[in-house]
Amino acid sequence: DAKTTQPTSMDCAEGRAANLPCNHSTISGNEYVYWYRQIHSQGPQYIIHGLKNNETNEMASLIITEDRKSSTLILPHATLRDTAVYYCIVRVATLLTGASVSGSARQLTFGSGTQLTVLP
Amino acid sequence: DTGVSQDPRHKITKRGQNVTFRCDPISEHNRLYWYRQTLGQGPEFLTYFQNEAQLEKSRLLSDRFSAERPKGSFSTLEIQRTEQGDSAMYLCASSRNVGQDPNYGYTFGSGTRLTVV
Repeated sequence: DAKTTQPTSMDCAEGRAANLPCNHSTISGNEYVYWYRQIHSQGPQYIIHGLKNNETNEMASLIITEDRKSSTLILPHATLRDTAVYYCIVRVATLLTGASVSGSARQLTFGSGTQLTVLP
Repeated sequence: DTGVSQDPRHKITKRGQNVTFRCDPISEHNRLYWYRQTLGQGPEFLTYFQNEAQLEKSRLLSDRFSAERPKGSFSTLEIQRTEQGDSAMYLCASSRNVGQDPNYGYTFGSGTRLTVV
């Protein structure tokens, strides 16, 4: 899986948008960008994923550049409960046919992530 | 369904003792994973089960570590002759099978924090 680079830490004012960048310059054409977050003393939580189009769900938006070498996770109105470590992960997409998936496609490879602190 | 459950939440043990952790995945998930997380680092993959079969093990999983998933339901992770370097958070995750969940979303438990003194 392609390696990702994220800033170590970021601050954001409560109520403002939090924009978390991720560089993945060696991403392959069949690799998705996934975002997870981990609130203190909890397990990681899935947020969103995308291939090349921008994606939005109830938690966040994901903006992927046209060359797919970087992406930004946007939390539109950050709250104190969004304080967490955010992980950007690039990995091969799941095969939908039921065929055997290679080992690297089954596991998630986490980096050190970005510690987002939402300030009151 | 209350998600992925792990027990205990915390475990303190003396060096050299054996410890066992339990993970109960989401009932309809047939894939189960174990990860280890040390302070300040992201989780690292340890091993993976599809139903009762252990299909992959990381190099991090030394001979002192053994994982089982009898009957393809809950899983246990045992560490024998614990060392101080084993102190970490042990996370369990589960997911659906390929073809059933195109998002391939993992659901993680809250982990078991092991402290070896």
